[in-house]
Amino acid sequence: KAGVTQTPRYLIKTRGQQVTLSCSPISGHRSVSWYQQTPGQGLQFLFEYFSETQRNKGNFPGRFSGRQFSNSRSEMNVSTLELGDSALYLCASSSGTNTGELFFGEGSRLTVL
Amino acid sequence: QKEVEQNSGPLSVPEGAIASLNCTYSDRGSQSFFWYRQYSGKSPELIMFIYSNGDKEDGRFTAQLNKASQYVSLLIRDSQPSDSATYLCAVNIGTGNQFYFGTGTSLTVIP
Repeated sequence: KAGVTQTPRYLIKTRGQQVTLSCSPISGHRSVSWYQQTPGQGLQFLFEYFSETQRNKGNFPGRFSGRQFSNSRSEMNVSTLELGDSALYLCASSSGTNTGELFFGEGSRLTVL
Repeated sequence: QKEVEQNSGPLSVPEGAIASLNCTYSDRGSQSFFWYRQYSGKSPELIMFIYSNGDKEDGRFTAQLNKASQYVSLLIRDSQPSDSATYLCAVNIGTGNQFYFGTGTSLTVIP
């Protein structure tokens, strides 16, 4: 069974640009969550999508947005990048039941210069 | 106050010893609690979850939950060098898969 696939793995952007990250969940999983991981703040919840609907949203500004497609693949977008957006962005898929087992992808490492 | 707090460590234990990792949470309504392990440069992976007060054992791992004290712990018996990693405590808030994670405790098991 293929795992969670995130693309791109690494990217470098400059302030003010925007970026789109992609996540393909495990086959059959309908829930996709996004997390930002930084050394100081740890893992912070961005949002969760389930069956193409945003089910939960964390405490991030509106520059951070996401969507989910009918095949459960998800994208997140960050507009008007700031230096503080440099982080590892992790996507996690789940079957959607409330057992809490998240399967994480390897992440997309974003550097903002 | 952060929703989930962990001692960042680092915690060092000799091989074969018991490693004790602790976590407190602020939301009394939290219902489910999880421990993830993250090796350096890798993604987190689930070790255990616990929903009810008391202990839950799985092999060398024991999770302990005390909802009155808002406290969760993870014990690793017979620690092995391969257990050296960062351990993340996570709490599920509300419905769906919205988790608050602690910043993690770095564990080193010394051969």
